[in-house]
Amino acid sequence: AQSVTQLGSHVSVSEGALVLLRCNYSSSVPPYLFWYVQYPNQGLQLLLKYTSAATLVKGINGFEAEFKKSETSFHLTKPSAHMSDAAEYFCAVFLDNFNKFYFGSGTKLNVKP
Amino acid sequence: GAVVSQHPSRVICKSGTSVKIECRSLDFQATTMFWYRQFPKQSLMLMATSNEGSKATYEQGVEKDKFLINHASLTLSTLTVTSAHPEDSSFYICSAREKGRKSYNEQFFGPGTRLTVL
Repeated sequence: AQSVTQLGSHVSVSEGALVLLRCNYSSSVPPYLFWYVQYPNQGLQLLLKYTSAATLVKGINGFEAEFKKSETSFHLTKPSAHMSDAAEYFCAVFLDNFNKFYFGSGTKLNVKP
Repeated sequence: GAVVSQHPSRVICKSGTSVKIECRSLDFQATTMFWYRQFPKQSLMLMATSNEGSKATYEQGVEKDKFLINHASLTLSTLTVTSAHPEDSSFYICSAREKGRKSYNEQFFGPGTRLTVL
């Protein structure tokens, strides 16, 4: 069965601190992995995606994620949080054989001044 | 570019009425549109996939007579929740795949519609 687990529905960091949002997945086939961000009243915006090339993927706004097959993880990081990073983040797996996304339940990131 | 809009953003209706939600691709043609729903503190779940001019393909457990999907043009898909009940209250999100894109994973998402059924 396919599933995506995001540990922590809410994460709070101070401005300038490291951001770490966790994502683990289970998949019966090699997946494509994605991180999306959603700002209030806006659609999901693609942050980055892993498509079986480099395991360390760099995205927009200084975010990056590392695919670790042995840990079935795809955690999202950013070295230094900005106030503008406050949003909800979704991890997702896309499986070609099903032609569909499986999303995690989201993590709301709060950035404290 | 690649903007998807949804209308309305919020809707409140009485139990038993029908509600239509529109999803539009504003600056591109969308051959495929997807409808998701999200319950509080849960994942987005795919409800159905629609290709322009064809009948929608529904995911297992989604009632096609309850959730009517129309994708009559390359820029518009509609989701009609018929005879809505309180358990249909949810956040509905659409996404669109641009004409000519190879992969189904290249989707652009709308901002969502919050449906509350009283």
